[in-house]
Amino acid sequence: KAGVTQTPRYLIKTRGQQVTLSCSPISGHRSVSWYQQTPGQGLQFLFEYFSETQRNKGNFPGRFSGRQFSNSRSEMNVSTLELGDSALYLCASSWTGRGRATGAAYNEQFFGPGTRLTVL
Amino acid sequence: KNEVEQSPQNLTAQEGEFITINCSYSVGISALHWLQQHPGGGIVSLFMLSSGKKKHGRLIATINIQEKHSSLHITASHPRDSAVYICAVSEGSQGNLIFGKGTKLSVKP
Repeated sequence: KAGVTQTPRYLIKTRGQQVTLSCSPISGHRSVSWYQQTPGQGLQFLFEYFSETQRNKGNFPGRFSGRQFSNSRSEMNVSTLELGDSALYLCASSWTGRGRATGAAYNEQFFGPGTRLTVL
Repeated sequence: KNEVEQSPQNLTAQEGEFITINCSYSVGISALHWLQQHPGGGIVSLFMLSSGKKKHGRLIATINIQEKHSSLHITASHPRDSAVYICAVSEGSQGNLIFGKGTKLSVKP
């Protein structure tokens, strides 16, 4: 199976602009999660989409939004870009399994290569 | 206090050494993940654990659910193992991982 793909890989924008990033999950995966990675904050969860619905959301301002299409491809959008939005944006697609010890459901996540966004 | 703590933050080893990276967490989890990130950014999932121990080649991961602690071991380390190793936990079936700050490993020849 092809892995998770993200486009574009690199992007340079200026403050105030908006940007849209795209993520194509592994075939058959219905969940797509988005993460932001910065040197100061490390990796942080943005949001998760499952079957075209936002299932979970991290602690980011409303300028960060996303959506998922019927083919499970997902996009995230950042409006009114700020310098602090410069980061590596990663998406991960996942399936759901169950833990043997706890019986709880969990996701094994497969990451894309990321989109490196620079805001000038 | 971070929900996921890793130690050490930085680790330098000589080729061939046995390496251990530790991870402690304070939340209830459904699974713990060990991830590897090379320069350039791509993240590879090494292990996902909900109990016990897993082994892939020279890598071994263990988890103690009662103590909320996991370790990643690398036997016979090699310079190509140089990367950032990240511990992350999932709290349920939903896809939001909580990450540690990572351990930067450098293996010298």
